Amino acid sequence: GAVVSQHPSRVICKSGTSVKIECRSLDFQATTMFWYRQFPKQSLMLMATSNEGSKATYEQGVEKDKFLINHASLTLSTLTVTSAHPEDSSFYICSARDRLQGKNEQYFGPGTRLTVT
Amino acid sequence: GDSVTQMEGPVTLSEEAFLTINCTYTATGYPSLFWYVQYPGEGLQLLLKATKADDKGSNKGFEATYRKETTSFHLEKGSVQVSDSAVYFCALAHNTDKLIFGTGTRLQVFP
Repeated sequence: GAVVSQHPSRVICKSGTSVKIECRSLDFQATTMFWYRQFPKQSLMLMATSNEGSKATYEQGVEKDKFLINHASLTLSTLTVTSAHPEDSSFYICSARDRLQGKNEQYFGPGTRLTVT
Repeated sequence: GDSVTQMEGPVTLSEEAFLTINCTYTATGYPSLFWYVQYPGEGLQLLLKATKADDKGSNKGFEATYRKETTSFHLEKGSVQVSDSAVYFCALAHNTDKLIFGTGTRLQVFP
C-alpha cells in the first residue's frame, strides 16, 4: 500500500514552453502533497506544500507564478513549470501524506526528470 | 536554520561487511529524525525514525540512535547485502510536515 506515482518519469521540452507533472496517490487519499526539487549531488529541497482544495504554500525563494501547483482532488496534485528555461532542468519529486495516518509519514513518488533545451 | 549533513558517497562495501553512514544535524529544539532509502527507479521509502533523544530506530537490520549530545543519527547495519545497494537520505522534521534532507549517500554492495 501507500503508493505514489508520478507522470511523466522523464520529459524534455524546449525553452519557453510549459510542462505539467502529475502526482497521484494510488491507494490512499492525500489531503497534503509536497513538491521537492533535487539538484545533482544535492539534497531534496521542498518547493511547496499543496493542500487539497486550497492554494499551495510556497517556500521562500520559489516563484509561485513559475511553478503552478494544483491539488484539485484527494489523489492528484499537479506541478506546472511555466515558460521553462534550462535552469529549471532538475529532478522533481512529490510526496503525499495519508490522511488516515499520523503526521510526518510521507510517501514519495519516483520523481520526474525535466530537461529544458 | 536547520540542516542535515551526511557523509559523501559512494560507500562501497563487500557483502556481509559492516555499514556506517554518518549523519549529523543542526536544529533548534527537538526534531524527529529519519532515514529514507531510495532504490533505483523508485521513490524514497521511510527506513526508520526516532522521535526523541536516545530513541533507537530499527528496520530490516538497520539501526540508528538519536544522540542529542553529539547531534547525530548514524545509520548502521551489521551485515550488508547486495540488495541494500541504494541511496540513503538522513532527514529531520519538527512538528510540521516539513522534512529537511541531507544530500544522500549512495551505497554500493558487491558480492
